[in-house]
Amino acid sequence: EAGVAQSPRYKIIEKRQSVAFWCNPISGHATLYWYQQILGQGPKLLIQFQNNGVVDDSQLPKDRFSAERLKGVDSTLKIQPAKLEDSAVYLCASSLLERSYEQYFGPGTRLTVT
Amino acid sequence: GQQLNQSPQSMFIQEGEDVSMNCTSSSIFNTWLWYKQEPGEGPVLLIALYKAGELTSNGRLTAQFGITRKDSFLNISASIPSDVGIYFCAPAGSARQLTFGSGTQLTVLP
Repeated sequence: EAGVAQSPRYKIIEKRQSVAFWCNPISGHATLYWYQQILGQGPKLLIQFQNNGVVDDSQLPKDRFSAERLKGVDSTLKIQPAKLEDSAVYLCASSLLERSYEQYFGPGTRLTVT
Repeated sequence: GQQLNQSPQSMFIQEGEDVSMNCTSSSIFNTWLWYKQEPGEGPVLLIALYKAGELTSNGRLTAQFGITRKDSFLNISASIPSDVGIYFCAPAGSARQLTFGSGTQLTVLP
């Protein structure tokens, strides 16, 4: 069974530029999550989707971050404009609807903002 | 707000030794999970605990969900080099969302 796919793996941008990350969850997983992991910390939830609807985006900085999950499968997370403090690893995870605690993570995208 | 404390922050042990790490919280949780993250990868689920007082094993790993529902520990027996990584506790409450601890960095010396 294929795992959660993410791209790109690495991205370097200058502050005020925009960037987008892509995630393809495990087939059949209705729930999709985006996390931000700053160096030395645990992952922090940004947004949770169930199918193509948003369940929780209370931790998403909506003035610069946006996310969508079209057709309830792939998802993209965008940052516009980026700030230095956005430098982090962005992790995508997915889970079955009935086993939402057991989340499967992708390898992440390491973003460096200079 | 809730506080989640994971300790120790890092550990250096000899191969073959046992390891113990724990998480404590100021809030009650319904579920405790433990994940492991290796460099360049996302976290991988090791053990899930769904009932207070539950003790669960997965190979050389043993974890317990504290009876007060505010803490959990993870033990690794007879450590081997591939145990190296960062271990995170990740409890979940009524919102069914995970809150990750700050992690325990484990180094196994040959």
